[in-house]
Amino acid sequence: KQEVTQIPAALSVPEGENLVLNCSFTDSAIYNLQWFRQDPGKGLTSLLLIQSSQREQTSGRLNASLDKSSGRSTLYIAASQPGDSATYLCADNQGGSEKLVFGKGTKLTVNP
Amino acid sequence: DTGVSQNPRHKITKRGQNVTFRCDPISEHNRLYWYRQTLGQGPEFLTYFQNEAQLEKSRLLSDRFSAERPKGSFSTLEIQRTEQGDSAMYLCASSLDGSGAASYEQYFGPGTRLTVT
Repeated sequence: KQEVTQIPAALSVPEGENLVLNCSFTDSAIYNLQWFRQDPGKGLTSLLLIQSSQREQTSGRLNASLDKSSGRSTLYIAASQPGDSATYLCADNQGGSEKLVFGKGTKLTVNP
Repeated sequence: DTGVSQNPRHKITKRGQNVTFRCDPISEHNRLYWYRQTLGQGPEFLTYFQNEAQLEKSRLLSDRFSAERPKGSFSTLEIQRTEQGDSAMYLCASSLDGSGAASYEQYFGPGTRLTVT
């Protein structure tokens, strides 16, 4: 059974800092890995999707990497801003299944 | 707004009542998913449709839960005889059916928050 773990569960940083959020998965036979942002009481906003054949994806200040051999993905946020404060979730799906398996998320607070 | 929409946004019901939620996916997406999220947890998969066919169901989807997508467009999720443990955020997502990264990226709606008293 695929398990996805996100460490740390919560992170507080000062504005302007670069930071890395971690995601690990137990079964390396993933098909895609997707990073989401969730604001309190809201739905999920897709940030980046990395296919299994890719190593990284970038969007603005965000960069996500994927290392299937080690079962890890990281989300790098450059020059953090208070508006980045949210919970960040990673999720993967394996070949043969359309469902996403989610981690519990990392709650990020960026202090002005 | 061309994103995924869900109605209602909030629902409070008494234990034992039936509730129904609706999801309207992005118009060109033929895959539709339901997830459930409780406080402090990531979403958990419930079920998935491709067009009108329900192709995958989680063991979380007990006999009290039923989902339909009759014309391959909007979907409904019904919970019968609600229990307090059903209190959660119910999220709907949609995606394309095709090749390439765009076909796998799931786009989520704002969710329906259910409170069972």
